[in-house]
Amino acid sequence: DADVTQTPRNRITKTGKRIMLECSQTKGHDRMYWYRQDPGLGLQLIYYSFDVKDINKGEISDGYSVSRQAQAKFSLSLESAIPNQTALYFCATSEAGQGIQETQYFGPGTRLLVL
Amino acid sequence: QKEVEQNSGPLSVPEGAIASLNCTYSDRGSQSFFWYRQYSGKSPELIMSIYSNGDKEDGRFTAQLNKASQYVSLLIRDSQPSDSATYLCAVNRPSGNKLVFGAGTILRVKS
Repeated sequence: DADVTQTPRNRITKTGKRIMLECSQTKGHDRMYWYRQDPGLGLQLIYYSFDVKDINKGEISDGYSVSRQAQAKFSLSLESAIPNQTALYFCATSEAGQGIQETQYFGPGTRLLVL
Repeated sequence: QKEVEQNSGPLSVPEGAIASLNCTYSDRGSQSFFWYRQYSGKSPELIMSIYSNGDKEDGRFTAQLNKASQYVSLLIRDSQPSDSATYLCAVNRPSGNKLVFGAGTILRVKS
């Protein structure tokens, strides 16, 4: 089984709808991240969480919210989807305490289309 | 100036050649440098990490780091068509312990 899973893998929604993307991991990592990827722009950090009670905004958090339900689960919500949120969304995890060798591992991604 | 810059490519090399991918970064305090490979529509996959100046080799891959010049590169020897992908350079941002990604370089290996 995959260490980091994301559901759904593909989603089509309409402008104004609220949607939730879910991420689960079995790696036992404390830290979890949500990124979006647009063609030619690389990965942009939306939100990150270093433990269950720690939630932080990334570079592009407007229009998004998150919930860290447990160490293994981190959900991303789009409160009112808009077309420019059409993108590929990735969840990532990393293990705390690794110093400069801390490495992020990515889930398979969710492709979101907002009409 | 972007924090992490890569040439978008595409970089085209013939099968069996050496592919050289380059990345520059702006934060002199960065200490961790990563190369991820991403096939179209798939997730980034870590292929190399480097933390100190010099070269680090792993199979056909060599990462090179020059902190004085704020430059990190990835060499792929004996390039194969299966190496065709986008290569993402990622650098840690010391404040906040986060990664900053470049936009990626598209590599095409022609058979």
